Amino acid sequence: GESVGLHLPTLSVQEGDNSIINCAYSNSASDYFIWYKQESGKGPQFIIDIRSNMDKRQGQRVTVLLNKTVKHLSLQIAATQPGDSAVYLCAEGLRGGGGADGLTFGKGTHLIIQP
Amino acid sequence: EAQVTQNPRYLITVTGKKLTVTCSQNMNHEYMSWYRQDPGLGLRQIYYSMNVEVTDKGDVPEGYKVSRKEKRNFPLILESPSPNQTSLYFCASSPLPPLRNYGYTFGSGTRLTVV
Repeated sequence: GESVGLHLPTLSVQEGDNSIINCAYSNSASDYFIWYKQESGKGPQFIIDIRSNMDKRQGQRVTVLLNKTVKHLSLQIAATQPGDSAVYLCAEGLRGGGGADGLTFGKGTHLIIQP
Repeated sequence: EAQVTQNPRYLITVTGKKLTVTCSQNMNHEYMSWYRQDPGLGLRQIYYSMNVEVTDKGDVPEGYKVSRKEKRNFPLILESPSPNQTSLYFCASSPLPPLRNYGYTFGSGTRLTVV
């Protein structure tokens, strides 16, 4: 498969444990945030999003937390499974900002699941 | 199946030899975009398009061209490739401005090596 990040932060967790992946975003004006999952050899896939008027949003086995005070975003994955092994990318944007497209991606975190 | 299709998946070429990476989506999306992904730098936008015949530069457009003659296709053209364009490239599409609708749907990527 593809190696998409030779210098990525790595998080190693035991199968069945909860995972918390963190992201520090750069623009205090950003009002929309997305988490993507990128498996080896594939393009990023949408996981969950959150708008700046929310602090928390839950999906299936995933929760995103937003702390605007410290510009911090986190993705919590419950009961981690082997299929969760991937690189996780956070993205931020400012809706209505200059231009029609203003999504900025973080460098990603590599999640490794230990059996 | 709804998808973004890129071709080729892998390409090795020599400096200066013009090449085109094709991208096609079957979801009738208005917005399309090209990104490159490099270790330590993450995903960076090259060009994007809001609709047919409407294209705009992203963050790293130098050395690239695009066209949007049809809604479904958004080819990436390297007129004179150089080794610093060796990278993993992703095409992506979205039905609405990405910041209003879950960001993009990504293709599977094209690994380009310029020697």
